[in-house]
Amino acid sequence: NAGVTQTPKFQVLKTGQSMTLQCAQDMNHEYMSWYRQDPGMGLRLIHYSVGAGITDQGEVPNGYNVSRSTTEDFPLRLLSAAPSQTSVYFCASRRTGFNYGYTFGSGTRLTVV
Amino acid sequence: DAKTTQPNSMESNEEEPVHLPCNHSTISGTDYIHWYRQLPSQGPEYVIHGLTSNVNNRMASLAIAEDRKSSTLILHRATLRDAAVYYCILSTSGTYKYIFGTGTRLKVLA
Repeated sequence: NAGVTQTPKFQVLKTGQSMTLQCAQDMNHEYMSWYRQDPGMGLRLIHYSVGAGITDQGEVPNGYNVSRSTTEDFPLRLLSAAPSQTSVYFCASRRTGFNYGYTFGSGTRLTVV
Repeated sequence: DAKTTQPNSMESNEEEPVHLPCNHSTISGTDYIHWYRQLPSQGPEYVIHGLTSNVNNRMASLAIAEDRKSSTLILHRATLRDAAVYYCILSTSGTYKYIFGTGTRLKVLA
């Protein structure tokens, strides 16, 4: 099992550019989430999904879109990058049931200039 | 969403027990208590979770107050590798929407 794979690991964007952060998991987990972590801060929930075709907003959804066409993939799209979106982005997944925790990816470090 | 309150930082000596507190006075009856930790430059990792009873696993123990308004994560023998930010999170039964706070930064002294 590869677990949760995030690509790219690093990215620099210019203001106004768009891009997609990729997240894939091979554990057949139903639940997936995207978080951002600003320097010295805790994680903030952007969007989450409880299964293929179902997504919902978290704490800080503005400027981001998600879709979940398959169980495995949960891409995060930045529509028009802004310097305020400079952050480390983490994707996480877990299976149904309360005896399991989330598995996190290693993160994508995004800088918007 | 119910909130949690944790101290910003704590220190511990290596090989001594560590008790990390978390207050969650607005917890509801169906909220689970989760603990995650984040090592430097890594994504968070699951540590332990519980609902009402104390819980033990290979990593740690979770002690939950009888009124459930607070909980304590116990590391039985801290090692240098336990230096991390520890997050206490509440999640409502039936949802997996975790809201992270700012956590407690644990420093382990050799």
